[in-house]
Amino acid sequence: ETGVTQTPRHLVMGMTNKKSLKCEQHLGHNAMYWYKQSAKKPLELMFVYSLEERVENNSVPSRFSPECPNSSHLFLHLHTLQPEDSALYLCASSQGWGEGDGYTFGSGTRLTVV
Amino acid sequence: GESVGLHLPTLSVQEGDNSIINCAYSNSASDYFIWYKQESGKGPQFIIDIRSNMDKRQGQRVTVLLNKTVKHLSLQIAATQPGDSAVYFCAERGSSNTGKLIFGQGTTLQVKP
Repeated sequence: ETGVTQTPRHLVMGMTNKKSLKCEQHLGHNAMYWYKQSAKKPLELMFVYSLEERVENNSVPSRFSPECPNSSHLFLHLHTLQPEDSALYLCASSQGWGEGDGYTFGSGTRLTVV
Repeated sequence: GESVGLHLPTLSVQEGDNSIINCAYSNSASDYFIWYKQESGKGPQFIIDIRSNMDKRQGQRVTVLLNKTVKHLSLQIAATQPGDSAVYFCAERGSSNTGKLIFGQGTTLQVKP
């Protein structure tokens, strides 16, 4: 158990569907992140939340919509995705934004858009 | 722009040998570096970190070396085992006013029995 739990582990969705990815951290961290991991590419930062406020949005298309209701939970709402959005979506948390140490990652959600 | 790169996409070593995985970074203002290991079907796991005021840091069977002059980071794994087979990423924190980590592309370590 890494302390960061992501659900579902796998998701297949059509381009017209709406779905949500969930992330929960049990570490008492104040910052949470969404990353996209595609084959043969570095991890791409999508969103950062610090103390439930979004502090970074890395030019992510509006078909991805994050939500952070509290410091333990992070969601990524998906709608009208494209096949190129198929990837592993990783959630991470850290003690604080701009502080100290590295991130703790979840195991990811493998998303396939058909 | 900021970028972190790794020299080799794949490294194959014999079980019991030492492994060295390299990483070059471009931002001389980076103050913190981390190595992550990602096994198949899992998220990246923290291995070891180093701050820019250090040149070397040792963990259990792993050593990270930082050469700020040439902006180079390396991960050494002693007595490589089959369980070390994974993708290894380096990451840097680009500047002191942001916690954003920038990741390299990853090196796949294959351990031959």
